[in-house]
Amino acid sequence: EPEVTQTPSHQVTQMGQEVILRCVPISNHLYFYWYRQILGQKVEFLVSFYNNEISEKSEIFDDQFSVERPDGSNFTLKIRSTKLEDSAMYFCASRQQESPYNEQFFGPGTRLTVL
Amino acid sequence: QKEVEQDPGPLSVPEGAIVSLNCTYSNSAFQYFMWYRQYSRKGPELLMYTYSSGNKEDGRFTAQVDKSSKYISLFIRDSQPSDSATYLCAMTSDYKLSFGAGTTVTVRA
Repeated sequence: EPEVTQTPSHQVTQMGQEVILRCVPISNHLYFYWYRQILGQKVEFLVSFYNNEISEKSEIFDDQFSVERPDGSNFTLKIRSTKLEDSAMYFCASRQQESPYNEQFFGPGTRLTVL
Repeated sequence: QKEVEQDPGPLSVPEGAIVSLNCTYSNSAFQYFMWYRQYSRKGPELLMYTYSSGNKEDGRFTAQVDKSSKYISLFIRDSQPSDSATYLCAMTSDYKLSFGAGTTVTVRA
């Protein structure tokens, strides 16, 4: 069964460093998302991406964040200068264009720890 | 008022019991409703999705939506220890999903 994959599973970084989180969505999906979940809190929407541009972003997704689809398979989230409060699980999700229910399929997540 | 409210529990039931989970929401624009299951330190896994008010059944799972009351439910019949997880309701009107806090369920053998 096709699935969304994410790498790395765990990333530890120093405050102020740049990190890139990588995702490979399901191959025939065209809509891509990033969500985050701070430990013990809700899953929160960050950004949606379609046709090589951002469709919508939350207030969390400020200038420190960017997304890119550098090739036909990868979808990345970059945090330019990490803060302690960026420590969270980051989930990538993807959706088929034809889905009438906006079914989003999630990857296993990357745990980001900012020290 | 929070956009999506879900009692975080925890909920502990004996094996074979019916598990009842619910969420309320305030945004009447929500059209699509989903239930996800999340195991510890894993990504959410889609269990069920519904669009209209009413019931939808899939094996031991039944999802209910009452748009007039802005209330959705998930029932798990004949619960098993493997059903122990956190259950998240989610809903959307467009691109982004809005999640509830998740209810942690433990099914005791």
